[in-house]
Amino acid sequence: DAEITQSPRHKITETGRQVTLACHQTWNHNNMFWYRQDLGHGLRLIHYSYGVQDTNKGEVSDGYSVSRSNTEDLPLTLESAASSQTSVYFCASSDASGGYNEQFFGPGTRLTVL
Amino acid sequence: TQLLEQSPQFLSIQEGENLTVYCNSSSVFSSLQWYRQEPGEGPVLLVTVVTGGEVKKLKRLTFQFGDARKDSSLHITAAQPGDTGLYLCAGQLPNSNSGYALNFGKGTSLLVTP
Repeated sequence: DAEITQSPRHKITETGRQVTLACHQTWNHNNMFWYRQDLGHGLRLIHYSYGVQDTNKGEVSDGYSVSRSNTEDLPLTLESAASSQTSVYFCASSDASGGYNEQFFGPGTRLTVL
Repeated sequence: TQLLEQSPQFLSIQEGENLTVYCNSSSVFSSLQWYRQEPGEGPVLLVTVVTGGEVKKLKRLTFQFGDARKDSSLHITAAQPGDTGLYLCAGQLPNSNSGYALNFGKGTSLLVTP
C-alpha cells in the first residue's frame, strides 16, 4: 500500500546544530508540504514543492530549507537549530488531480532543541 | 493572520450526545476540508466540500459548506469515544499565489467520555 513516512519520529538536538528531517512518499504525488504544529498556532506551512526541482516558501520558512531531487522525497533542513524550532513537524503529499488538494499526512517528527 | 477560526476550541461531552463544530472565515474558499487527528499521529482527511450549500454525510458525521463558501460546520450525532480527537478545517483559496497550499484552522479538541 502507498504511504508517507517520516524519520526520525523523535529527535533531540542542541542549539546551533544542523538537523535534517526526512519525508518519503510512495503515492507518486507531485505536491509535497512541510508543516509545523504548535499549541495555540495549529498547523503552519513551512515549505512546499509542486514537483522535482520546485520549492516554495510558506508562512514560517525562516531558518528552514528544502530540496526536491526526486518525486518521493522532500527533506527538511534546519540550518542552525533554535529553541523556537522545538515543535512537531508533519510532512504531507497530494496530487491535486481533482483540483482539491486532498493531503495525506505522515506520522510526524517531534523535534526538541535544547 | 488566521484565516479560519474554529469554535469551540475544546469540547468535552458524554457518549451519545450530539455536537456541532464550526469553521468560520471572512474569506471565500474554493474548497474546504475537514481532518481528524489523534494523539501522536498525523491528520487524516474526512471530507472535502466544494459547492456552496453542499451537505455531505459520513456515517454519524454531517458536514456542511456555507452558501457563500466562507464557513463550514461538522455535526456529530450520538458521539462515541472513538470520535475523540482534534478536528481541523482547512481551506484552499481561489487564485492563491501559493496554489495548492491549504490554510488550516487551529482545531477543535473533542473528548467523548463513556
